[in-house]
Amino acid sequence: NAGVMQNPRHLVRRRGQEARLRCSPMKGHSHVYWYRQLPEEGLKFMVYLQKENIIDESGMPKERFSAEFPKEGPSILRIQQVVRGDSAAYFCASSPAEEKTGRNSPLHFGNGTRLTVT
Amino acid sequence: EDQVTQSPEALRLQEGESSSLNCSYTVSGLRGLFWYRQDPGKGPEFLFTLYSAGEEKEKERLKATLTKKESFLHITAPKPEDSATYLCAVRLLMDSSYKLIFGSGTRLLVRP
Repeated sequence: NAGVMQNPRHLVRRRGQEARLRCSPMKGHSHVYWYRQLPEEGLKFMVYLQKENIIDESGMPKERFSAEFPKEGPSILRIQQVVRGDSAAYFCASSPAEEKTGRNSPLHFGNGTRLTVT
Repeated sequence: EDQVTQSPEALRLQEGESSSLNCSYTVSGLRGLFWYRQDPGKGPEFLFTLYSAGEEKEKERLKATLTKKESFLHITAPKPEDSATYLCAVRLLMDSSYKLIFGSGTRLLVRP
């Protein structure tokens, strides 16, 4: 897990507040993936981003969720008007650009942000 | 629909008692199958990648194998430190990204 940095590690929000989760990819990686893990469930893909571009957001809820990966700074997963059902662990993973490595290189994950909505 | 199913959901072993975890998949085309280990409060840690049927990979007490429909993670003479959740994931042939589709995992507990 070394290299992919997520913060905060734990985040508590009241219903209706906004949550911002940050992810800095491994050095040399330019692609970021966000996953959500509910208790006792596997990781569910949410969104795939490159610098300044959203490539695949097929797993993102249609409302209240957004993600960005600016030219400078970390990737941000933003959840507006949080509800109790948003309580989960959110993991970020990174990879290099496809042309720089083999097509079956693994994703490297951070240690996640655990969001609790009260 | 592309799907990954892991069994059993949970497994309790005595130290030294060998066993296997199963990952079956139904996908339109497989580019690679991945095994990860996840400890409580941590992110998934990469273990193995398998590309084609018949392939095997080994690391310490773990050996992963792949057929056209499923993968097995064999644990030989496990130790308490092998206790973790083991996740299986697939990467689709038609997907040019590194996106993975995960199973729900097998929670392994090894008792001393």
